[in-house]
Amino acid sequence: DAGITQSPRHKVTETGTPVTLRCHQTENHRYMYWYRQDPGHGLRLIHYSYGVKDTDKGEVSDGYSVSRSKTEDFLLTLESATSSQTSVYFCATSPWGAEEQYFGPGTRLTVT
Amino acid sequence: GENVEQHPSTLSVQEGDSAVIKCTYSDSASNYFPWYKQELGKRPQLIIDIRSNVGEKKDQRIAVTLNKTAKHFSLHITETQPEDSAVYFCAASPTGTASKLTFGTGTRLQVTL
Repeated sequence: DAGITQSPRHKVTETGTPVTLRCHQTENHRYMYWYRQDPGHGLRLIHYSYGVKDTDKGEVSDGYSVSRSKTEDFLLTLESATSSQTSVYFCATSPWGAEEQYFGPGTRLTVT
Repeated sequence: GENVEQHPSTLSVQEGDSAVIKCTYSDSASNYFPWYKQELGKRPQLIIDIRSNVGEKKDQRIAVTLNKTAKHFSLHITETQPEDSAVYFCAASPTGTASKLTFGTGTRLQVTL
């Protein structure tokens, strides 16, 4: 568990403001993922990365962008936060891709 | 894309009884099926997974079965204990580079004394 951290762990922000969430790993895993978790929807993939500077969209990518400039860090940015983006955000990493994903502790984001 | 349906959404069993959670998937290319357990306020954790080349896998009190023809897979927990109380998620994916997991909507299991 200690190998994957997320910051901040909690954030309250106002509609229209930019927000950046950070995922940091010490596992040297190639693959990194951002999910959001909402009641009744399970975990939904926002964006993922299969290497430094290599990213792709998931099923709920609208309103989000990502960047990965080094192996250990994967950033998720909400360019202009909306109330519909209030959620718990989880980062996950894997050495293999879909297999054996390990999750970070999560970030609870509230957009007022 | 892949669609995973999970049932039931909530499940209550008495301690010592068995619990079964079922999932169906839509994409015949999927061949990797993990199960995650999420305790209240915690991160999801992988508890067991199965690949399409086997029909069943066991790990102590938990087992997963896979029926590729019918496109469904199930999680079985025997001799349930209070610490099994959590939300369980199934998922499906094709394996390979840049593959992605599609999750079910979760089952809240409550084990009562």
